[in-house]
Amino acid sequence: GQSLEQPSEVTAVEGAIVQINCTYQTSGFYGLSWYQQHDGGAPTFLSYNALDGLEETGRFSSFLSRSDSYGYLLLQELQMKDSASYFCAVNPGNTPLVFGKGTRLSVIA
Amino acid sequence: EAEVAQSPRYKITEKSQAVAFWCDPISGHATLYWYRQILGQGPELLVQFQDESVVDDSQLPKDRFSAERLKGVDSTLKIQPAELGDSAMYLCASSLQGTTITYEQYFGPGTRLTVT
Repeated sequence: GQSLEQPSEVTAVEGAIVQINCTYQTSGFYGLSWYQQHDGGAPTFLSYNALDGLEETGRFSSFLSRSDSYGYLLLQELQMKDSASYFCAVNPGNTPLVFGKGTRLSVIA
Repeated sequence: EAEVAQSPRYKITEKSQAVAFWCDPISGHATLYWYRQILGQGPELLVQFQDESVVDDSQLPKDRFSAERLKGVDSTLKIQPAELGDSAMYLCASSLQGTTITYEQYFGPGTRLTVT
């Protein structure tokens, strides 16, 4: 089976940096994705890591350590509009994408 | 920019009634997914299509749920009869074909179902 663990809630100050962690246990592993979902909206794709290391896309970066079954999403220069839920998702390869329960990020002034 | 279309956006139905949701994926996307998302949880896959064929429906409650994608383009998800526990957001997503590409899925706006 597959399981993913991520914190349920995180609060951070506008302009700061926040890290959202994700640990996973899967029978197969091709890579780790991150999705953002605003309240009432649809999940939107943010990033994907298939190899160890850091991937940077603007203010967002994502990291993966395959040996530790661990990844994180790093958000820099936080803005109020970054308040949303963030989901990590594992691509097991032979089965469909498996999503975590999500981390609700609240950005405060 | 191409988007996944879903309708209706909201649906209120009484338990034991039938309900249907429609999805039109991004043109050219061979893979289509139906997810159910309960408030405060991540999306859970109900069924995955590759063109018109079902690839995975292991989590679909087949006694009351059915899904079809007859021409390999748009898709319909049906619930009959609806139960109170079916109240949730039903999301449709699509992606390009291929295992290494399925990590990037494009989601529609969803249908918020309330069963009373």
